[in-house]
Amino acid sequence: GAVVSQHPSWVICKSGTSVKIECRSLDFQATTMFWYRQFPKQSLMLMATSNEGSKATYEQGVEKDKFLINHASLTLSTLTVTSAHPEDSSFYICSARSENQYNSPLHFGNGTRLTVT
Amino acid sequence: AQSVSQHNHHVILSEAASLELGCNYSYGGTVNLFWYVQYPGQHLQLLLKYFSGDPLVKGIKGFEAEFIKSKFSFNLRKPSVQWSDTAEYFCAVPADSWGKLQFGAGTQVVVTP
Repeated sequence: GAVVSQHPSWVICKSGTSVKIECRSLDFQATTMFWYRQFPKQSLMLMATSNEGSKATYEQGVEKDKFLINHASLTLSTLTVTSAHPEDSSFYICSARSENQYNSPLHFGNGTRLTVT
Repeated sequence: AQSVSQHNHHVILSEAASLELGCNYSYGGTVNLFWYVQYPGQHLQLLLKYFSGDPLVKGIKGFEAEFIKSKFSFNLRKPSVQWSDTAEYFCAVPADSWGKLQFGAGTQVVVTP
């Protein structure tokens, strides 16, 4: 089946530094990938829609200058958390669909646990 | 935009008990609905989906869900749960034409031996 790989699975960084998270579709091409954030005991909240070769579309309330998204190829999207602060500590999850239909199921990465100290 | 709501946030039950998790959607037009599961330490996985046709949808691991249009509901059921069904369950619906998903708040299910 379709596999989405996310790296790293966990990262600890100091406040003020930047962290890059990679999301790769291993056996399919993904024109569109989605980045979610999950707080403890809460649901997934969509942060942005990443489109290959164009600018990402951010959800309301998500700072585009803080959460930089680059979708440079059909198999790779990256999320960079810039100037991270403790409140950015969260679980970040990417997803992609292997079929080019809006209602086809999403395949999720394993997530990245970010801890900002 | 479409949205979903899940009624139960935490459910604790014993093995062999029956499970039903509620999910209500907000939109009255064409509806596509999903149930995802997240086992401890693992990524989200698709349990089942409804697009059209038979309102009773069979999924993996013995799960099923019934789409009831008159009640705007898409409840998830399993007749007899196992300890391995301990997980968090999310109902979801496409929120736009690009296919981004709107998730419900999730239901944490704990199955005790």
